[in-house]
Amino acid sequence: QKEVEQDPGPLSVPEGAIVSLNCTYSNSAFQYFMWYRQYSRKGPELLMYTYSSGNKEDGRFTAQVDKSSKYISLFIRDSQPSDSATYLCAMQRTGANNLFFGTGTRLTVIP
Amino acid sequence: NAGVMQNPRHLVRRRGQEARLRCSPMKGHSHVYWYRQLPEEGLKFMVYLQKENIIDESGMPKERFSAEFPKEGPSILRIQQVVRGDSAAYFCASTQGATGELFFGEGSRLTVL
Repeated sequence: QKEVEQDPGPLSVPEGAIVSLNCTYSNSAFQYFMWYRQYSRKGPELLMYTYSSGNKEDGRFTAQVDKSSKYISLFIRDSQPSDSATYLCAMQRTGANNLFFGTGTRLTVIP
Repeated sequence: NAGVMQNPRHLVRRRGQEARLRCSPMKGHSHVYWYRQLPEEGLKFMVYLQKENIIDESGMPKERFSAEFPKEGPSILRIQQVVRGDSAAYFCASTQGATGELFFGEGSRLTVL
């Protein structure tokens, strides 16, 4: 079993839709949870960073962490064509240096 | 451009040759990470370095792969005697301290013929 599971998609939605992206994990030691956006042929860029359980909102993006279920989500409101990219979840243990990434979900927002 | 700089962006090698990938971290960053991204797979941690020190190489294959981050100059990821399975995108990331946001470069794409 992979430590981090993410549905690779692809996911296509019309412009303006609410997008829900999810990851599950198996290691209860993960304390830091991140979402990265990666455009084609580019490096990942950090979108959201959360510690432990709870919600965090930043503009059209909301990250949720449910440690009891080992489940994290990223919601994108009012999706735009410019949101078309691959979204990667990532997790980190306290005191560890490396991140564990999901495989990424490829999202296309259709104008 | 003050971002993480990687070169070459694309590299083609034949089986058995050597590949050298270079990474210059963001200005002021002294911590460098290398990740590998295989097709249809997520990013996999390879190695974490500070200047002149390898801190964590738990993700590095035991043979043919090595990394360094000298006092002067970029970090180098070296792959000796490349095989087709080494074909991947190799990403470098840097941080200012031991923890914190990772800033990624645009990657070096290695193709082994």
